[in-house]
Amino acid sequence: QQQVKQSPQSLIVQKGGISIINCAYENTAFDYFPWYQQFPGKGPALLIAIRPDVSEKKEGRFTISFNKSAKQFSLHIMDSQPGDSATYFCAARDGGATNKLIFGTGTLLAVQP
Amino acid sequence: DTEVTQTPKHLVMGMTNKKSLKCEQHMGHRAMYWYKQKAKKPPELMFVYSYEKLSINESVPSRFSPECPNSSLLNLHLHALQPEDSALYLCASSQVQGWTEAFFGQGTRLTVV
Repeated sequence: QQQVKQSPQSLIVQKGGISIINCAYENTAFDYFPWYQQFPGKGPALLIAIRPDVSEKKEGRFTISFNKSAKQFSLHIMDSQPGDSATYFCAARDGGATNKLIFGTGTLLAVQP
Repeated sequence: DTEVTQTPKHLVMGMTNKKSLKCEQHMGHRAMYWYKQKAKKPPELMFVYSYEKLSINESVPSRFSPECPNSSLLNLHLHALQPEDSALYLCASSQVQGWTEAFFGQGTRLTVV
């Protein structure tokens, strides 16, 4: 119930291609869904986030698609660049008393030049 | 200034040593967090401080002892650690507990020998 399932575990995309990472959850108390980007040797940084009352959010080349009925959300990176190579974590906030962030297992993205 | 500063960046300690990790933020955030991250895994929440009071302890062994001396500082005191405690220790802060954006530091890479 507290899990966020993320796939794929790793992804290789050619420069200019579209990277797609998927996440799924069960807990209907989750009320906020951020994506974090982490480069080697760095802490995670918030990339983009969405609330469940919105079906899509776009910021530059990054888009979150959200399907509330299916309890699924995904990150699309358009025109992927080598500089996008990083580990991506989806997450969900448990909107109960603690508001804890539950992280997905992560996706290692490699964008080949 | 949207920075969370962690010191030291790297730490090697023996199993009988006592050491401390330090975290500092000057964004006026009233929630601060410690996470542990193993290689190729998502961050795992350890402790949450809210308004300088311990709000969440995720059943962390007592060899890890957090301290929040003031609203800008967070320490993690380490004693009698085990080799399996080797990991990246991340500090984060947010405006209040569970706020929509958390800022992470770069982490302290801890090796227990």
